[in-house]
Amino acid sequence: QKEVEQNSGPLSVPEGAIASLNCTYSDRGSQSFFWYRQYSGKSPELIMFIYSNGDKEDGRFTAQLNKASQYVSLLIRDSQPSDSATYLCAVGSGNNRLAFGKGNQVVVIP
Amino acid sequence: GAVVSQHPSWVICKSGTSVKIECRSLDFQATTMFWYRQFPKQSLMLMATSNEGSKATYEQGVEKDKFLINHASLTLSTLTVTSAHPEDSSFYICSASPPREKLFFGSGTQLSVL
Repeated sequence: QKEVEQNSGPLSVPEGAIASLNCTYSDRGSQSFFWYRQYSGKSPELIMFIYSNGDKEDGRFTAQLNKASQYVSLLIRDSQPSDSATYLCAVGSGNNRLAFGKGNQVVVIP
Repeated sequence: GAVVSQHPSWVICKSGTSVKIECRSLDFQATTMFWYRQFPKQSLMLMATSNEGSKATYEQGVEKDKFLINHASLTLSTLTVTSAHPEDSSFYICSASPPREKLFFGSGTQLSVL
């Protein structure tokens, strides 16, 4: 069973600041890495995916992948109150079967 | 983008009854769909992989006789929670992907068993 760890507790950031989230995974054979945003009572929404080592930027979001160290991170720049949600890290092995982390709650304070 | 429709959004039922949840891919054909369960403040746990025209593949620890999955067409998978009990109360989410694309999630079904 693949394990995906998101160990940080709730993260509070002031509006406009950078929120940084980390995720580690156990399966070295993992090929695809995703960050989902989930609002309370709603289903997850894909915000970033990354397959190769390095950084990938999309708007205010940057995903970073380091396969050697088996971690993937997400940076949210210029945080907005609407970014307040739980962020789920997910790891896949190429067949769309994803293993999810427990999630990190982000609270952006106006 | 692709749309995955899930119905109902929420359901309340008495203990011992069965509940059916539908998952539809609206603008693409899905040979495979996935069913997840999420308890409050917990991660999404994959329950089973639904395969069109064949038996579902269940994850370890998931009772196949309790969580019946039927994937009779390329656009519809159903999950039936049989003889539901309060411990089955959870948020159930399906997902599917068009060929060579990312996973899309249904809107989820909140099940409350009294």
